[in-house]
Amino acid sequence: ETGVTQSPTHLIKTRGQQVTLRCSSQSGHNTVSWYQQALGQGPQFIFQYYREEENGRGNFPPRFSGLQFPNYSSELNVNALELDDSALYLCASSSTTGVGNEQFFGPGTRLTVL
Amino acid sequence: GQSLEQPSEVTAVEGAIVQINCTYQTSGFYGLSWYQQHDGGAPTFLSYNALDGLEETGRFSSFLSRSDSYGYLLLQELQMKDSASYFCAVGSNTGKLIFGQGTTLQVKP
Repeated sequence: ETGVTQSPTHLIKTRGQQVTLRCSSQSGHNTVSWYQQALGQGPQFIFQYYREEENGRGNFPPRFSGLQFPNYSSELNVNALELDDSALYLCASSSTTGVGNEQFFGPGTRLTVL
Repeated sequence: GQSLEQPSEVTAVEGAIVQINCTYQTSGFYGLSWYQQHDGGAPTFLSYNALDGLEETGRFSSFLSRSDSYGYLLLQELQMKDSASYFCAVGSNTGKLIFGQGTTLQVKP
């Protein structure tokens, strides 16, 4: 069973640029959630995708957008990067949208915005 | 809105027992989860409580009191490898998790 993978591991961008982060969900999982984790903080929910549709969104502006593909992998896109977007971006997959289900996290992408 | 409170830091010695508390305020409660995160690592699931009471998984136990909006994670027979951050998280009907700020546990020899 392959775990959740994310790419790239690290990324450095400048203010105003755009970035795409990728996530491959665990085999058999149809739900992917994205989180932003600032240093010393808990993960903050960005949005969730279930069977290619957005299924819930946190308090993030529209410049944060995403996609889920038929193979359940997912992308997080951030436009017009701001300094405060510097964080660890985590994706997590699960087998249903049910809350009690364990979410399996990937290792994250560390984004630095200069 | 939804919010969770947990202590920022806890220190204990190897072999001891430690309890990490979590209080929450949420509209529409869908269970309390606990995750462990080592420095530089991914959060990993530890436990989930939907109903009141104690859930035990090896050295770790988790407790929930919905009437008190309170839960805790109990770690027994502490080992050095248990040094990590521990997050409580509440769920919503859309499947999203709202995480607390995390408790850094330092286990000393």
